Amino acid sequence: DAGVIQSPRHEVTEMGQEVTLRCKPISGHDYLFWYRQTMMRGLELLIYFNNNVPIDDSGMPEDRFSAKMPNASFSTLKIQPSEPRDSAVYFCASSSPQAKNIQYFGAGTRLSVL
Amino acid sequence: AQSVAQPEDQVNVAEGNPLTVKCTYSVSGNPYLFWYVQYPNRGLQFLLKYITGDNLVKGSYGFEAEFNKSQTSFHLKKPSALVSDSALYFCAVRAHYGGATNKLIFGTGTLLAVQP
Repeated sequence: DAGVIQSPRHEVTEMGQEVTLRCKPISGHDYLFWYRQTMMRGLELLIYFNNNVPIDDSGMPEDRFSAKMPNASFSTLKIQPSEPRDSAVYFCASSSPQAKNIQYFGAGTRLSVL
Repeated sequence: AQSVAQPEDQVNVAEGNPLTVKCTYSVSGNPYLFWYVQYPNRGLQFLLKYITGDNLVKGSYGFEAEFNKSQTSFHLKKPSALVSDSALYFCAVRAHYGGATNKLIFGTGTLLAVQP
């Protein structure tokens, strides 16, 4: 398996623009997680899905952030409008009970909002 | 409140010496504990986990961790450090909210620097 695949790896955009981050989980995994990592705040869980349904979105910072999982093999995290304070590395991870609940992380998307 | 604490922001050790990265936890129910490692510009990688059984858990790259219930600790150890072990290490515990979830609570991370 190729592991969790995230795209793009790097994104540079201007304040106010819409940003869409993409994630393909490991095939067969039924949990998908979105995290944000910054120097100031460390690793934060934004939202997670089980069987494509959002279970806990309490970490989503504000209404500018939204996440969807239209099917078992694809998820998006959208920021609209983006702000400089959204600059961070965003990680997607997937897991399953069959994988003993170990979360497998993608390589991340480094977002810079100018 | 459920939490994980990594009291050291950075640990420095000479190559060949033993290393310990500390972690303490607070969680309701039986703890499921994890260690992850993050190399520069990479995602987190699973190292090892404790669910039940032997208190000493062995993982990848020669790492091991000791579960201590009375001290609520799960310290990461390695008998002989390598320069290539230099990375950011995260301890995590599975959250319980009236039952187990798949949500992990991560510590703030400890930067391990191994000097040649």
